[in-house]
Amino acid sequence: ETGVTQTPRHLVMGMTNKKSLKCEQHLGHNAMYWYKQSAKKPLELMFVYNFKEQTENNSVPSRFSPECPNSSHLFLHLHTLQPEDSALYLCASSPQTGAGTDTQYFGPGTRLTVL
Amino acid sequence: AQSVTQLGSHVSVSEGALVLLRCNYSSSVPPYLFWYVQYPNQGLQLLLKYTSAATLVKGINGFEAEFKKSETSFHLTKPSAHMSDAAEYFCAVKTSYDKVIFGPGTSLSVIP
Repeated sequence: ETGVTQTPRHLVMGMTNKKSLKCEQHLGHNAMYWYKQSAKKPLELMFVYNFKEQTENNSVPSRFSPECPNSSHLFLHLHTLQPEDSALYLCASSPQTGAGTDTQYFGPGTRLTVL
Repeated sequence: AQSVTQLGSHVSVSEGALVLLRCNYSSSVPPYLFWYVQYPNQGLQLLLKYTSAATLVKGINGFEAEFKKSETSFHLTKPSAHMSDAAEYFCAVKTSYDKVIFGPGTSLSVIP
């Protein structure tokens, strides 16, 4: 596969469930990002990893827990979510952070619904 | 600090008509500017980016944007809209060492 892939594409979970979102990039990039996209709101940056190290946590609640085992994979572990966490979660990658014009490449997203 | 505004959360054009999507930015240092497109149920895809090499930037699918420093604008245009252009469009700004800031998006509808 090429580009950035995300699984699952759709997820429905209850507030007491634990689930994980997976992102994989096949572009040889070193930076990976999680974004939240809610209806009627701008894209929200959640976490940034550069060379497997977390470089940004944008005041995200602890019920969201990221994991980056290597530069190609990024996970978002979810537990005890709230209905307002329902959104499209987008993963992106770029060659590295802080490098001027680096373009971010996005995956198709996981549509999360919390009941 | 940087910021991006997109005038008009929703724009409708007739098929074959000019597409104009507005983007204004605020940045204390020379910015890099991007336009992304998001089709339904998909992630964001880069349309074009301004990197200070040329003020008129051509992108994919016939889109182009012009960087106007005096107006702090980076409006996106396409001479003739096609039905397949219906999507959400996001303007974004970045400086050398800052994160990308996305605008709120403009939804483009194309009327047959």
